[in-house]
Amino acid sequence: QSVLTQPPSVSGAPGQRVTISCTGSTSNIGAPYGVHWYQQLPGAAPKLLIHANTHRPSGVPDRFSGSKSGTSASLAITGLQTEDEADYYCQSYDISLSAWVFGGGTKLTVL
Amino acid sequence: EVQLVESGGGLAQPGGSLRLSCVASGISFSDYEGNWVRQAPGKGLEWLSFLSPGGSDIYYADSVRGRFTISRDSAKNSLHLQMNNLRVDDTAIYYCAKKTPGASWFDLWGQGTLVTVSS
Repeated sequence: QSVLTQPPSVSGAPGQRVTISCTGSTSNIGAPYGVHWYQQLPGAAPKLLIHANTHRPSGVPDRFSGSKSGTSASLAITGLQTEDEADYYCQSYDISLSAWVFGGGTKLTVL
Repeated sequence: EVQLVESGGGLAQPGGSLRLSCVASGISFSDYEGNWVRQAPGKGLEWLSFLSPGGSDIYYADSVRGRFTISRDSAKNSLHLQMNNLRVDDTAIYYCAKKTPGASWFDLWGQGTLVTVSS
């Protein structure tokens, strides 16, 4: 049971927009540390996609965007491409657990 | 190119030990916070351990505290994870991940090394 809750799977057709939700609590997403997102392509290591709720590292396409409201966050992907097919994880720091925590991951399928 | 490369994984028996290494290139790893994160087969990511740049702060997840020890070798620009009293449920890919001091996200990951615990 992950501390952060994500839907197990989402899907969309090429060119469409999808969103992935991440729900936490006042001890993690709702705390000042914010939420971050990672993309894990099949057979590869995770890669930072979004940090501090909304910020894209250099090289990440602007098709990817993040938002946060209260104790929940969302990752949006617009203009879906087949290469976006991957697992996506949200992550935060939990001040009650004194630990860095992840969501269970969401598998994105591009139909 | 900045990268992290893990090694040391393999097959261990329950109760056995392994030592993982993570060598950094393109950066001075001792300037950053070192972490280990694992992923069991078909499962999600689990943070395991943190080591501050100066080595004064060390944290562990409850699942590994007392069995795993994180350390660094500044001369070899590397991070290590000594894993003792291994259990079957420690079977996973182990990733080294770096954090910039003050940030709460992992900005660079290694490719991972597979640890299998089985009799």
